[in-house]
Amino acid sequence: GAVVSQHPSRVICKSGTSVKIECRSLDFQATTMFWYRQFPKQSLMLMATSNEGSKATYEQGVEKDKFLINHASLTLSTLTVTSAHPEDSSFYICSARRGQESSEQYFGPGTRLTVT
Amino acid sequence: GQNIDQPTEMTATEGAIVQINCTYQTSGFNGLFWYQQHAGEAPTFLSYNVLDGLEEKGRFSSFLSRSKGYSYLLLKELQMKDSASYLCAAMDSNYQLIWGAGTKLIIKP
Repeated sequence: GAVVSQHPSRVICKSGTSVKIECRSLDFQATTMFWYRQFPKQSLMLMATSNEGSKATYEQGVEKDKFLINHASLTLSTLTVTSAHPEDSSFYICSARRGQESSEQYFGPGTRLTVT
Repeated sequence: GQNIDQPTEMTATEGAIVQINCTYQTSGFNGLFWYQQHAGEAPTFLSYNVLDGLEEKGRFSSFLSRSKGYSYLLLKELQMKDSASYLCAAMDSNYQLIWGAGTKLIIKP
């Protein structure tokens, strides 16, 4: 099966600092990776779609200067939450897709971010 | 616009059967997914339908009617561990997933 990892699984940071979350596809090459955010008792909200080697496509309402996404290789995408605030506290989940027109999408285990 | 509708919450009894419905409207269609998500965890894949009909996988089955824009997830022999949210997602013509808000399933003894 296809495995996607995320690191860290949990992070607590102070308001105003930046946090980087890594998403890795361990046994396949992911041409596309997706970043989601999920607040308690709500569904997944797609933040951005990132294709290897190109700029991420952000969903409406998501600040691209605040949520920096880098997809530098076919197995790694990073999400950096810059100048984090308590309202950024959430569950961040990445998923990876093998090919552009593939139906297979695999989720990472998620990262719980708490900003104090 | 693109839209996915599913019930917010359902309650069922251990050992029983429950059917979670999902209707979708998307720009193009490349399949319908069901995911299970336990509280505090990432979603896990349950099923994928792209052709009309019923797909059975153990205690879980998923049905699709493309002409009606309708799917359901059927859970049999319910166990307490099945208490979770069940997410319906349709893939559009750009191979992007359009997500429903999820159905919280509560299993009672």
